[in-house]
Amino acid sequence: DAKTTQPPSMDCAEGRAANLPCNHSTISGNEYVYWYRQIHSQGPQYIIHGLKNNETNEMASLIITEDRKSSTLILPHATLRDTAVYYCIVLEHKLSFGAGTTVTVRA
Amino acid sequence: DAGVIQSPRHEVTEMGQEVTLRCKPISGHNSLFWYRQTMMRGLELLIYFNNNVPIDDSGMPEDRFSAKMPNASFSTLKIQPSEPRDSAVYFCASSSGQGYTGELFFGEGSRLTVL
Repeated sequence: DAKTTQPPSMDCAEGRAANLPCNHSTISGNEYVYWYRQIHSQGPQYIIHGLKNNETNEMASLIITEDRKSSTLILPHATLRDTAVYYCIVLEHKLSFGAGTTVTVRA
Repeated sequence: DAGVIQSPRHEVTEMGQEVTLRCKPISGHNSLFWYRQTMMRGLELLIYFNNNVPIDDSGMPEDRFSAKMPNASFSTLKIQPSEPRDSAVYFCASSSGQGYTGELFFGEGSRLTVL
């Protein structure tokens, strides 16, 4: 019952920006978009969230389209330690994790 | 500051045995969540507490599972009797603020293997 669609996997080069897409075409007007990541054998880690404006913090930037039907998580300078599964989640009444995108950063 | 602390980190038990997983949330957080992760089903929310009261337990698989939060600094998830299909990583998470928020802090998980 996830409301998001993400590519199953993607590779990126160390030191380059990683752009992770997410589609959420059925999002409602008051539902936030959250991003988490899970590094192997660890618990999920919160990255960032937004409603309609673009957001930036020390980890990443979140770009949400004007119609809010899709968003992109940007890791500005990917490192090997950013290799993880990245989850895009639309917060309904609870945080439901889908399959996510497995991101592999290569040297 | 210490994060969410879970114990044990690993548990191997035999079918039919009772299993108790423990969680200490971050001090000051008033919401606590139990999730289960398997290869087949991914991350599933089992139960959510707010101010020590269970708010949503719709994800608890069956009567063999029970969760308690006797105070703000401790929660348990119990499986009795355990079955091989309960093998999974169980995560506890906590958050602050009123109601349900999306910024959760997860523990390192308890990996359960039921033989």
